[in-house]
Amino acid sequence: EAGVAQSPRYKIIEKRQSVAFWCNPISGHATLYWYQQILGQGPKLLIQFQNNGVVDDSQLPKDRFSAERLKGVDSTLKIQPAKLEDSAVYLCASSPRLEGTDTQYFGPGTRLTVL
Amino acid sequence: KNQVEQSPQSLIILEGKNCTLQCNYTVSPFSNLRWYKQDTGRGPVSLTIMTFSENTKSNGRYTATLDADTKQSSLHITASQLSDSASYICVVSAWDGNNRLAFGKGNQVVVIP
Repeated sequence: EAGVAQSPRYKIIEKRQSVAFWCNPISGHATLYWYQQILGQGPKLLIQFQNNGVVDDSQLPKDRFSAERLKGVDSTLKIQPAKLEDSAVYLCASSPRLEGTDTQYFGPGTRLTVL
Repeated sequence: KNQVEQSPQSLIILEGKNCTLQCNYTVSPFSNLRWYKQDTGRGPVSLTIMTFSENTKSNGRYTATLDADTKQSSLHITASQLSDSASYICVVSAWDGNNRLAFGKGNQVVVIP
């Protein structure tokens, strides 16, 4: 079974520039998550999708971050404009359903450096 | 506010030795607790999951315990190997019709030969 795919793996940009990350979840997984993981900390949920609908985006900085999941499969996360504090690893995860005991499967992450 | 605290923040152990990682949480309503292993440069991978009624779960050399009364969990690594060097993240799930996860900051384990 193929895992969660993310691209790019690394990205370096200057502040105020824009950047987009892509995620392809495990086939058939209804739920998709985007996390931000700052060095030395645990992941922080940014947004959660159930199919192509948003379940939770309460911690997404909506003035600069946006995400979409067209057709309930792939998803993109965009930052516009980027700030220095956005430097982090952005993890995408998927799970079969929206059940509490479902395992979340994580992708390798995209490491963003904002200069 | 749902919170997860892990200790120690980091530790170094000799190959072949055992170690125990701690996780304290204040999460409600509690659904389950997972331990994840995150290798450097990779996403977290689930090791164990325990629900309210379970107090121990093993996965190879990893054994997790849960005391739902005191809201504490531990992850014990037996006969550590170099490949155990990683961050171990405690994740507690609260279920209120939506699965809300609270992540700890992780225990950074370094195994040296």
